[in-house]
Amino acid sequence: EADIYQTPRYLVIGTGKKITLECSQTMGHDKMYWYQQDPGMELHLIHYSYGVNSTEKGDLSSESTVSRIRTEHFPLTLESARPSHTSQYLCASSEYLGGLATGELFFGEGSRLTVL
Amino acid sequence: AQSVTQLDSQVPVFEEAPVELRCNYSSSVSVYLFWYVQYPNQGLQLLLKYLSGSTLVKGINGFEAEFNKSQTSFHLRKPSVHISDTAEYFCAVSDYNNDMRFGAGTRLTVKP
Repeated sequence: EADIYQTPRYLVIGTGKKITLECSQTMGHDKMYWYQQDPGMELHLIHYSYGVNSTEKGDLSSESTVSRIRTEHFPLTLESARPSHTSQYLCASSEYLGGLATGELFFGEGSRLTVL
Repeated sequence: AQSVTQLDSQVPVFEEAPVELRCNYSSSVSVYLFWYVQYPNQGLQLLLKYLSGSTLVKGINGFEAEFNKSQTSFHLRKPSVHISDTAEYFCAVSDYNNDMRFGAGTRLTVKP
């Protein structure tokens, strides 16, 4: 079973609030990802990281930001939440050994955000 | 860039019947192919993957998939489904850099 954890699992918040979604993994994986998932739609990559101090934007433009200060921790922050940010956010990690990917992503259980 | 098309958004099937979930991909480079399953209120977990070698890949829970390079397909099959197989199934393609692209998902509903 994968050791990647997301908190909170569910969050209902008002417009304009700052929120941080936490993601931690205990597998020592270098590469981490944030995906946004809406019903009936493909998963969209919004951020990823190759390792400490590395952050990259994904395919889907997002107003969120991420940081990677420690290998195991990859939080996502929204400075001012809006109803359009309502979605499920999935964190994932993968091994990335010397430039060779091993092919499997390990996912957390997701954080479902509702902005009123 | 890679892309994935899952041809069926919903597949209803009776228990113990066979099922096939269809997936086509496009890519200009060699790819890795995956099927993930998502149970309600959970994250995705890997069912099976094709990296190289035999084109018939067996995964967990009795699922298998066949890589067909000429048809750019990677269809998922199970000969006899159970109620517990009810879930969302995602096909995905990635390159050697783990830049993974997912399909829109197929909701498999197994009825008694």
